[in-house]
Amino acid sequence: SQTIHQWPATLVQPVGSPLSLECTVEGTSNPNLYWYRQAAGRGLQLLFYSVGIGQISSEVPQNLSASRPQDRQFILSSKKLLLSDSGFYLCAWSRGRYEQYFGPGTRLTVT
Amino acid sequence: DQQVKQNSPSLSVQEGRISILNCDYTNSMFDYFLWYKKYPAEGPTFLISISSIKDKNEDGRFTVFLNKSAKHLSLHIVPSQPGDSAVYFCAASAGTSGTYKYIFGTGTRLKVLA
Repeated sequence: SQTIHQWPATLVQPVGSPLSLECTVEGTSNPNLYWYRQAAGRGLQLLFYSVGIGQISSEVPQNLSASRPQDRQFILSSKKLLLSDSGFYLCAWSRGRYEQYFGPGTRLTVT
Repeated sequence: DQQVKQNSPSLSVQEGRISILNCDYTNSMFDYFLWYKKYPAEGPTFLISISSIKDKNEDGRFTVFLNKSAKHLSLHIVPSQPGDSAVYFCAASAGTSGTYKYIFGTGTRLKVLA
């Protein structure tokens, strides 16, 4: 069966510090991968998606970037965090265009 | 422009009764829809899907109805249980986009009262 891991589970970072969140998927190959953010009291906002190694599409121009160095690894980064980057970050995978399966999420607080 | 709308931010239902969660969309190109349940501080859990070639899909206590002419879908939970208390999101995608992107609604918080 397929599983998706995210770490860390929680993170508190000062404004201006860098960020690296990691997501890995097990039990499948060549998945589509996604990064979402849920701000407090808001819905899920798609940040990035990837259909293959090195292929990244950005949905929202902002302070973040994503990379896919390996087939089942997806990384969300920032060089300098802003207060507005606080939120709940979710990684997801899918087979083609059908159901997406989410990881447990990372709670990021920028202070 | 919010292409997928869940106009009810919250809903309370008595245990054993039916819960009906609604979702409206504006893009007529959307042809595949998903419903998710989300508990606080956890990732969303996939519940049920429906393709635009159908108007109904059932899975146990969960049924999703799609009205393409009204651009409206609903999730019915029967009977509702206290463990169903969570935030429910609908999501939609357009197959013609070729990008596998889903647009999510803002969610409806369901509270099932014992």
